[in-house]
Amino acid sequence: DAKTTQPNSMESNEEEPVHLPCNHSTISGTDYIHWYRQLPSQGPEYVIHGLTSNVNNRMASLAIAEDRKSSTLILHRATLRDAAVYYCIPKPNFGNEKLTFGTGTRLTIIP
Amino acid sequence: DAGITQSPRHKVTETGTPVTLRCHQTENHRYMYWYRQDPGHGLRLIHYSYGVKDTDKGEVSDGYSVSRSKTEDFLLTLESATSSQTSVYFCAIKGGGYQETQYFGPGTRLLVL
Repeated sequence: DAKTTQPNSMESNEEEPVHLPCNHSTISGTDYIHWYRQLPSQGPEYVIHGLTSNVNNRMASLAIAEDRKSSTLILHRATLRDAAVYYCIPKPNFGNEKLTFGTGTRLTIIP
Repeated sequence: DAGITQSPRHKVTETGTPVTLRCHQTENHRYMYWYRQDPGHGLRLIHYSYGVKDTDKGEVSDGYSVSRSKTEDFLLTLESATSSQTSVYFCAIKGGGYQETQYFGPGTRLLVL
């Protein structure tokens, strides 16, 4: 499994953009980069994933470095509801059933 | 909402007693998973199932067994609970298509005294 490095915690002001970084320098060429988040007292929820090019969905954007050794999850306009622990998870798209969660980044939103 | 429920949501039990946690899904997904989450750790996979009666071990399977006799239910059993199994247990399913996305239930908080 590829190792990941994320900041333990970050803070952001409400309604400001948030950039959550993740280093995954040992990522395999076939691993997708998945992001999940876990709100307080809830199970994790899927946010976004991508392979090489940048990805957008209704929740967030994912910017992947050209060498794929790092990625950044972008929340365009943080709300209080975005306060959560965010996990970056490299994973093959087939064959490996395990999602390997690290300790993630705890994001605090300041009103 | 992936239609996942877990029961019970909270349980207190004593060391040495058997415990069974249930995960129920309403959308006929083939893959189901059991994870545990402890302070200072991310979620860790215990067991998973890829069909009725088809299961495999995860990274922390010792002390746990699972069963899946029908598509909608995946049971996790602690044959003889220990204090080290105090944890929050999450069930997950894998969504359809090629996306490999997992959807998680609300969790079961288990305390073993």
